[in-house]
Amino acid sequence: AQSVSQHNHHVILSEAASLELGCNYSYGGTVNLFWYVQYPGQHLQLLLKYFSGDPLVKGIKGFEAEFIKSKFSFNLRKPSVQWSDTAEYFCAVNNAPNTGNQFYFGTGTSLTVIP
Amino acid sequence: NAGVTQTPKFRILKIGQSMTLQCTQDMNHNYMYWYRQDPGMGLKLIYYSVGAGITDKGEVPNGYNVSRSTTEDFPLRLELAAPSQTSVYFCASSYKGVGAYEQYFGPGTRLTVT
Repeated sequence: AQSVSQHNHHVILSEAASLELGCNYSYGGTVNLFWYVQYPGQHLQLLLKYFSGDPLVKGIKGFEAEFIKSKFSFNLRKPSVQWSDTAEYFCAVNNAPNTGNQFYFGTGTSLTVIP
Repeated sequence: NAGVTQTPKFRILKIGQSMTLQCTQDMNHNYMYWYRQDPGMGLKLIYYSVGAGITDKGEVPNGYNVSRSTTEDFPLRLELAAPSQTSVYFCASSYKGVGAYEQYFGPGTRLTVT
């Protein structure tokens, strides 16, 4: 199985501040990693994903994430947040390649950006 | 493409009633999933399907049933609604191929059981 931990439950930042959200997973094998965003009242949308190759992954809206295999981590970063980044952020892990059926989600981090 | 669509958007059920949440995708994805989202709990997998005619339980299947007669449709059935099933339900689909195949989510169904 797999468990995914997001230690920051609620983060409040001022506009232009830098953001880093933590994500750790438990399964030590090959994994696919994802960050999703859920804006208020909307469904989840993909921010970025990691499959293989460069561990620094760039996504939409200026977000990036770094896969550190030795730390079982996939932290999300953004150098300068905007008010429109206010949302819930979910880290998800998929154990590849044999059990590609299930995705495991963290409990989410609620980000509030103050103008 | 409409992507993943879900109906209804909202529903209030009385305890013991039954209902079916509909989910349809037009992306020809072979994998489909049902999640429930409770405040502070993230997403919990209820059931998933790897193709027409094949379904399997996820983390929280009790009180639910699914079927997958076509590639496009993956309805979720609640037989005897209980207050513990008050939640937001999301359907998702994904394609299995080489690489990190992400899930595409529907808009959700907000269900209240009273």
